[in-house]
Amino acid sequence: KAGVTQTPRYLIKTRGQQVTLSCSPISGHRSVSWYQQTPGQGLQFLFEYFSETQRNKGNFPGRFSGRQFSNSRSEMNVSTLELGDSALYLCASSLVGRSPLHFGNGTRLTVT
Amino acid sequence: TQLLEQSPQFLSIQEGENLTVYCNSSSVFSSLQWYRQEPGEGPVLLVTVVTGGEVKKLKRLTFQFGDARKDSSLHITAAQPGDTGLYLCAVLYTGGGNKLTFGTGTQLKVEL
Repeated sequence: KAGVTQTPRYLIKTRGQQVTLSCSPISGHRSVSWYQQTPGQGLQFLFEYFSETQRNKGNFPGRFSGRQFSNSRSEMNVSTLELGDSALYLCASSLVGRSPLHFGNGTRLTVT
Repeated sequence: TQLLEQSPQFLSIQEGENLTVYCNSSSVFSSLQWYRQEPGEGPVLLVTVVTGGEVKKLKRLTFQFGDARKDSSLHITAAQPGDTGLYLCAVLYTGGGNKLTFGTGTQLKVEL
């Protein structure tokens, strides 16, 4: 069974640009969550989608947004990139709410 | 103030040594999860503890949930280089869904 797939693995952007990251969950999983990991702040929750609806949202500015499609695939978008947005962005999927999370290997975003 | 404080932050030991890492909070939790993250990969769930005082074993890893359900420990016996990684504790948001709050992490390096 294929795991959670995140694309691209690496991304370099310039301040002010926007970026879209993609996540394909494990087949049959309906919940997709996004996390940001930085050396200073650790792993922080961004948002969670379930059946195309945002179910939970973390404490991030509105520049961070996401969506989920009918096939459960998810994208997150960051607009007007700042240097501090440089991080590893992790996607996780689960069957339903409160079931074990399965993480992808992340997208490493570098903002210059 | 972090909800979940982990200690130590860094640990470098020789193969064969024993070690314990801690996850502490002033809050009470209904359950607590432990993850391991290896370089270049996403976190992988190791165990979930749900009952105060509960002890779970996973080969050479022993996990314990505090009696008051405010803290947890992970003990590794006879550490091996393959145990190297970032160990994270995490708790689920009580409001539903799969929003996880992660601890500050313990970076473990086991050398030959």
